[in-house]
This record gives sequence, structure tokens and C-alpha cells, in this order.
Amino acid sequence: AQSVTQLDSQVPVFEEAPVELRCNYSSSVSVYLFWYVQYPNQGLQLLLKYLSGSTLVKGINGFEAEFNKSQTSFHLRKPSVHISDTAEYFCAVSTGANNLFFGTGTRLTVIP
Amino acid sequence: DSGVTQTPKHLITATGQRVTLRCSPRSGDLSVYWYQQSLDQGLQFLIHYYNGEERAKGNILERFSAQQFPDLHSELNLSSLELGDSALYFCASSVSSGNTIYFGEGSWLTVV
Repeated sequence: AQSVTQLDSQVPVFEEAPVELRCNYSSSVSVYLFWYVQYPNQGLQLLLKYLSGSTLVKGINGFEAEFNKSQTSFHLRKPSVHISDTAEYFCAVSTGANNLFFGTGTRLTVIP
Repeated sequence: DSGVTQTPKHLITATGQRVTLRCSPRSGDLSVYWYQQSLDQGLQFLIHYYNGEERAKGNILERFSAQQFPDLHSELNLSSLELGDSALYFCASSVSSGNTIYFGEGSWLTVV
């Protein structure tokens, strides 16, 4: 079985500061990893994904994430956040077979 | 816009009633997934269909059922509704299993 742990439920950060949202997973098989973002009153939008290859993955809106197999982590980073980045961020894992298993989400609040 | 269309966007109904949520996947996508997002349970996988056939079941209650039609649209039927069924229901689609899953905007269900 797969599971995803997002270690921080809320992350406040000042505008233009860097941010890291943490995600750890557990799985007995190889996985694909995803970050989705949910803006207020909207659906889920794919930020980035790791399927294979380079462990550093770049996504939309200046976000990137690094897959670390030994630490079973897939942390999301952005060097300088904007007010518009305020949203809920979900880490998800898939074995490629069927569906996504989501973490509980991290609410990122960017403070002006 | 992900290309996944869900209707209705908002729905208010009474306990004991039955509702149907509709989903049109992205053009060309054969897989359809349903997820439930609630405050206490987070994002939960409900069910997955591929080209009309059920492929996987998650935490879907027996009061709930789904189907995927020959034109690939899908419906999620929720019956004998309870207050606790109030949630945001997402439909998502992908080309096939193992590919990126794209989410619709969701259907807000409120049971009163």
C-alpha cells in the first residue's frame, strides 16, 4: 500500500521569501510523484510530476521538486513566493496502476 | 482549464435524497476517476473506470455508485444522502492508467 505524509499543515511565509513544502511517501513498489495546487474555490491543478529520469523536476509558476529515493521524499520548493501562490498544495503518489493517493495538504499563506 | 467538465457546480439537497453528478473527461481520455474532498477525510479516491469498465474501488460507500458510458462520460450516483456526504466531489481523467491525471473543478454537494 502507498501513503503520503505532508509534514506541515500550514506554512506562512513572507512575500519574496523562499519556501519548501515537505512530502514523504511510503511504498513497496516504484512510484510516480505529483504535486497539485488548489486555489480557493477551484479544482486541483497539476504543478509538476516525477515519472522517471532527472530527480529535479521543474513545474509551473516557478516551482520545482526533488525526488529523493533514499529519503522517500519529494519536497516542493520555490525560491521567491508571490501573493498569488497562496493556496493549498497536495502531494500525491501513484504506482502507475490506477489512481492517486493524496497527502492531507499544506496550506501556504504568503504574507505581504 | 483542465478540459474535464463537471456538472452541476453546486447542489443543495435534503437528507435521504438521491443526486447524480456528471463528468465529461478530456477529449481522448479513457480513464475517469472520482474523488471526494471533505474537511475531515481530505481527498479520498472513490472509484476508477477505464473505457466503460470499473478498474478500481477506493473508499466508496455502498450508497454510492458510478458508471462510465460508451461516450466516455461518467456519472456518480449518491443515494440516501446523509449530512456527512456534504463534500466537494472531483472527477478526473487520464489517457490511461499510468498517465497524468487531470482534475475538473468539482461539484459542491451540500446535504441539509
